[in-house]
This record gives sequence, structure tokens and C-alpha cells, in this order.
Amino acid sequence: DAMVIQNPRYQVTQFGKPVTLSCSQTLNHNVMYWYQQKSSQAPKLLFHYYDKDFNNEADTPDNFQSRRPNTSFCFLDIRSPGLGDAAMYLCATSTRGVGNIQYFGAGTRLSVL
Amino acid sequence: AQRVTQPEKLLSVFKGAPVELKCNYSYSGSPELFWYVQYSRQRLQLLLRHISRESIKGFTADLNKGETSFHLKKPFAQEEDSAMYYCALSGSGYSTLTFGKGTMLLVSP
Repeated sequence: DAMVIQNPRYQVTQFGKPVTLSCSQTLNHNVMYWYQQKSSQAPKLLFHYYDKDFNNEADTPDNFQSRRPNTSFCFLDIRSPGLGDAAMYLCATSTRGVGNIQYFGAGTRLSVL
Repeated sequence: AQRVTQPEKLLSVFKGAPVELKCNYSYSGSPELFWYVQYSRQRLQLLLRHISRESIKGFTADLNKGETSFHLKKPFAQEEDSAMYYCALSGSGYSTLTFGKGTMLLVSP
């Protein structure tokens, strides 16, 4: 009955080899978020979608891209992963509005060899 | 810029002891504050938010605008409270969150 599903749970890629992480939701929420979380650090927002409107955080590297083909799915593309991109990537969803609850997926742990 | 500070990386207490996890924030407007929790091998989930003024699993948190704090409290800790706790802030007009670095709470029998 998971409402926000991330696949895969673990992803290993090679330095410089493009990788895509996926997120799907059954909540019909109009906002979807991608966070990066490194060890012992806070989740850091990379970008989010209000419906189809893409909002990039100012300090998100160009190496990170996202696609949202429909309400249910959102993808995180890392064009040329570096060793510093190894992290847990969290997807979350919410309805639009201040103070609304975000619902998180279990995360994808990315390793870069 | 908005910022959330959780000064303690680890808080270790005995079962039945009172718990206070500290959270301070920096934001020029009127923020919304949250506590999210991550139990072992589970996903990050909402514990409580100040807008609801509720008590969840015995935890409460009061927004103190004068001290810019939103400390999480529980009078008697239980072993099942052991988890990672994140304080988070949402700025006025936005639904995005800024997280603190988190505090690991360990409750020993």
C-alpha cells in the first residue's frame, strides 16, 4: 500500500554513465519533489514540480535534470554522475499549499564507481 | 535565506526520562514548522506540524517566535521513540521544505 514508490532501491552506476531514478505516486498529488541526502546531512531539495511547472533550486547542478511525463511519475536524470553524487535520493509528494504534508518514498541509494 | 538548526546530532536517554529535541530557525517571514521522523528501515514521515497544534505519540512542539524555536518534547520517552528526527521549515507562500541536519534519539531500557 506504498503511496510513493521509488525504483530501484539501490542503484550502482559508473563514473560518467547516465543514470535515471524513478518515482511514482498513487496519491494524485500535484506537487512532486526530489531531494538529495548525503550521509549525516539534511535532505537537500534539488527541484520540484507544481503540476508540469518545473522549479529548479538555484544551487542544483546542471548535471541533474528531471522529467514529469504525467501526474503519477517523476524521473531524476543524472547526466554524468561523479563520485560526489553518491547519495540517497528521496522523492516526495504533496498537495499545493503552505503547511501541507509531504509524503516520502523509501529512497534510492546511488553508488558511483 | 531560511535556515534550520538542530544543535544535537545525538541524544541518548533512558526509558521514562523526559526528552527535548532542539530546533531553531532563521526566517524573516512567518514560517510553518514541522517535525519529520525516520524510524529504522522506514521512510521519512511527518510527526507533527505547528499549524495543527496536536500531540502525536506523546510528542508536542510549540512555536516560539521570540526565540525562533520549535523544540520537540515528550515527558516520558519510550524505546520505540528511537529514531532520526528532522525539524523542517516552510516559508510563507511556499510548500517546499528546508530541513535541519537531524537529531538521532536513542532511548535505552
